[in-house]
Amino acid sequence: DQQVKQNSPSLSVQEGRISILNCDYTNSMFDYFLWYKKYPAEGPTFLISISSIKDKNEDGRFTVFLNKSAKHLSLHIVPSQPGDSAVYFCAASANDYKLSFGAGTTVTVRA
Amino acid sequence: DGGITQSPKYLFRKEGQNVTLSCEQNLNHDAMYWYRQDPGQGLRLIYYSQIVNDFQKGDIAEGYSVSREKKESFPLTVTSAQKNPTAFYLCASSTPRGAPAKNIQYFGAGTRLSVL
Repeated sequence: DQQVKQNSPSLSVQEGRISILNCDYTNSMFDYFLWYKKYPAEGPTFLISISSIKDKNEDGRFTVFLNKSAKHLSLHIVPSQPGDSAVYFCAASANDYKLSFGAGTTVTVRA
Repeated sequence: DGGITQSPKYLFRKEGQNVTLSCEQNLNHDAMYWYRQDPGQGLRLIYYSQIVNDFQKGDIAEGYSVSREKKESFPLTVTSAQKNPTAFYLCASSTPRGAPAKNIQYFGAGTRLSVL
């Protein structure tokens, strides 16, 4: 049973505009959330994270929002750049070593 | 410089053959992980190890085996019992929970395994 879901398999956005990626989770024990970016044939690289005690975390062009009551988080990328074209994975952790990953959203930034 | 090294980058397995994927890290991380990625799917946890000489099964451990004899190394063996081994395999490591970086896992470049 998948505990982390990314319901949009793909997203196309124009360069300079905002990309919004969504992620839903079912396990109320999750207390730490991460976003990873992955290029083809490479390993994922860590982007940004948020603890459940916060509702927003910002790092440059990347902002993650957490809505605990809705069990929903989102990643905003502003402005979107061609190098942002990649697969983005949402992941969650429940006070242990394991991460549960979503299926990923493929972002394509159009020039 | 520090990082996680997976080898080989590409690997081919014959029917009935066991193959071993290598994962080495020089980040001084205690925990190490193996994931499998199939097309259109997220990463699924195969095995993980929190400390040397100890490891636990993940969600899809059947047909796989691991060892953790050294802190730096966490090899994964894909046995002949794994009937659908074709996938992209990723190794990761992390610092313990409670450390400043929490459970941020850092990944290697992956090994693509195919069946001949």
